[in-house]
Amino acid sequence: GAVVSQHPSWVICKSGTSVKIECRSLDFQATTMFWYRQFPKQSLMLMATSNEGSKATYEQGVEKDKFLINHASLTLSTLTVTSAHPEDSSFYICSAVQINYGYTFGSGTRLTVV
Amino acid sequence: AQSVTQPDIHITVSEGASLELRCNYSYGATPYLFWYVQSPGQGLQLLLKYFSGDTLVQGIKGFEAEFKRSQSSFNLRKPSVHWSDAAEYFCAVGAGAAGNKLTFGGGTRVLVKP
Repeated sequence: GAVVSQHPSWVICKSGTSVKIECRSLDFQATTMFWYRQFPKQSLMLMATSNEGSKATYEQGVEKDKFLINHASLTLSTLTVTSAHPEDSSFYICSAVQINYGYTFGSGTRLTVV
Repeated sequence: AQSVTQPDIHITVSEGASLELRCNYSYGATPYLFWYVQSPGQGLQLLLKYFSGDTLVQGIKGFEAEFKRSQSSFNLRKPSVHWSDAAEYFCAVGAGAAGNKLTFGGGTRVLVKP
C-alpha cells in the first residue's frame, strides 16, 4: 500500500528560527502533494498545493514567503517555516497523491515555537 | 466552490451501539467523497471513499457510508461501535480526478462510553 513518511513528528524551536518539515512518498511517485495546517480541535486547512518541478500554489491568506514549499522530486516535498513565531505553532500534515492510490496522508508534525 | 458540513461536533455513544455521522456537501458536479479518521496527534486514515457506482460504500473497520445525491449527503455508519472507534472523523470532498484538493468538514469527535 501507499505510505507517506513525514518528519519530524514533533519539533520545538525558538522564535525567529526556521524549521523544515519533510514529506516523502515511500513506495510511489506522487504527482501532487498538499500541505495542511490543523489547529487544536479544528479541521484541516489547506495551505498549498505542490507539484514536482513547479512553484507551489498557495491558498488565499497563506504567506508564501513564510511557508516555503519545495517539491524537488516526485517523492519529496518540504515545508519550511521561516522566522517562526509562537502563532505558527500548529500541527502540519502533508498528503501525497497518486492516480492509483488517491490521497495518502503523513502522520503529521507538531510544531511548537517558544 | 466546494464545501463540507459536519453538523455534529461531538457524539457520545455506548460501546456496542450503532453510530451515524452526518456529512453534507456542496459541489456543482459529481463529487469525490471521503471519510477519514484521526487519532490524537496522528495523521489521517482513509475509511472509505465514493467516486461512482453503488451508492452504499463499504470501508475498513466495519464502516459504511451512503451517498444520497438528492440530499447532498454522505453519512457514515457503523452497526456496533468498539471502544477503539473513539477518534475524530472527517468528511471530505474533492473535485474530479485525484490530484485536486480536498475540502474537509469541521470534524466530529466520537466518544465511546463503556
